[in-house]
Amino acid sequence: AQSVTQLGSHVSVSEGALVLLRCNYSSSVPPYLFWYVQYPNQGLQLLLKYTSAATLVKGINGFEAEFKKSETSFHLTKPSAHMSDAAEYFCAVSAGDDKIIFGKGTRLHILP
Amino acid sequence: DAGVTQSPTHLIKTRGQHVTLRCSPISGHKSVSWYQQVLGQGPQFIFQYYEKEERGRGNFPDRFSARQFPNYSSELNVNALLLGDSALYLCASSPTMVFYGYTFGSGTRLTVV
Repeated sequence: AQSVTQLGSHVSVSEGALVLLRCNYSSSVPPYLFWYVQYPNQGLQLLLKYTSAATLVKGINGFEAEFKKSETSFHLTKPSAHMSDAAEYFCAVSAGDDKIIFGKGTRLHILP
Repeated sequence: DAGVTQSPTHLIKTRGQHVTLRCSPISGHKSVSWYQQVLGQGPQFIFQYYEKEERGRGNFPDRFSARQFPNYSSELNVNALLLGDSALYLCASSPTMVFYGYTFGSGTRLTVV
């Protein structure tokens, strides 16, 4: 079975500061891991995915995430936050079968 | 190319009624999945269809059903609506059964009163 835990339901960072959103996963098989972003009143947009290739994954909008098997983590980072990054971020895991298991989400607030 | 399209975008129904939500996947995508997102929560898996067959089902009651048509579009049906069914219903598509990242539609906002 798979599960995801996102640490922090709300994270606030200043514009230009480092963004770090934490995600820990549990999986009985080698996982596929994802980060999605959701803007208000919209669907989910895929930021990046880990599919057992390189452990450091680069995504859209300057985001990246590192798969650490020993820590069962897949934290999302961005070196410099922009006001447009304010949104809800979801970490997700899959065994590659029929479904994705999502975390509860982290709302990112950008302070001017 | 058009993305995943869902209709309607918003819907208000009364308790006990039935609702049908529709989804058109990206052209060439044969897999369609449905998710329910309650306000303040992450999406929850309802169904996956691939090549017109149900390939997975989440922990939802039998009031929820779905089907996929020969053109790979899909419908989600919910009978005997409850207030708790109020949510954003998301459709996602991918090219094949082997999962490597879904593309989601913008969803249908269902309000049950």
